[in-house]
Amino acid sequence: NAGVTQTPKFQVLKTGQSMTLQCAQDMNHEYMSWYRQDPGMGLRLIHYSVGAGITDQGEVPNGYNVSRSTTEDFPLRLLSAAPSQTSVYFCASSPAGGETQYFGPGTRLLVL
Amino acid sequence: QKEVEQDPGPLSVPEGAIVSLNCTYSNSAFQYFMWYRQYSRKGPELLMYTYSSGNKEDGRFTAQVDKSSKYISLFIRDSQPSDSATYLCAMQGSGTYKYIFGTGTRLKVLA
Repeated sequence: NAGVTQTPKFQVLKTGQSMTLQCAQDMNHEYMSWYRQDPGMGLRLIHYSVGAGITDQGEVPNGYNVSRSTTEDFPLRLLSAAPSQTSVYFCASSPAGGETQYFGPGTRLLVL
Repeated sequence: QKEVEQDPGPLSVPEGAIVSLNCTYSNSAFQYFMWYRQYSRKGPELLMYTYSSGNKEDGRFTAQVDKSSKYISLFIRDSQPSDSATYLCAMQGSGTYKYIFGTGTRLKVLA
């Protein structure tokens, strides 16, 4: 049981490049979400999903896309990277009811 | 004004001390209150979960919620150097999946 896994662990992008951050969970959780964590800002919700085929925007969705084709996977796409997207990105999952979130180890992204 | 306010610290205490970590909030719709612990360069992990007002104890950790004052606390007794981490409070309204996190308090327990 691996829990929540994220790849890559670290990535450097140039402004304007696109990339996909991968997230997978093997706990059969219905809810999955993406957060970014910045100094002094805490964790901010980017997008979330309450089940396969269902996604919705969080607090800071601009510049990011998500899709949820399976229960296990919830990739986050950066369409055109900007320096303001330099951050640490965390994926989380929780069972229906959403009481306990389980976080992945994070992806550190640097946009030059 | 942020929905959730948390003193960023850092907070340094000697080993064995009682630590008090606090958050205030403005949204009276919050029903679920959580404390997460985050070690450096790791993902947050759930420490305590409380529904509505009251106290909850788990080993050396006690979570308190005072909804009338919109104030939550986490107490750590007999603090250990291994407790050195950032502690994040989080809150959730009933019927919503969205969690609102505090900015986190950095705690350092000195041996």
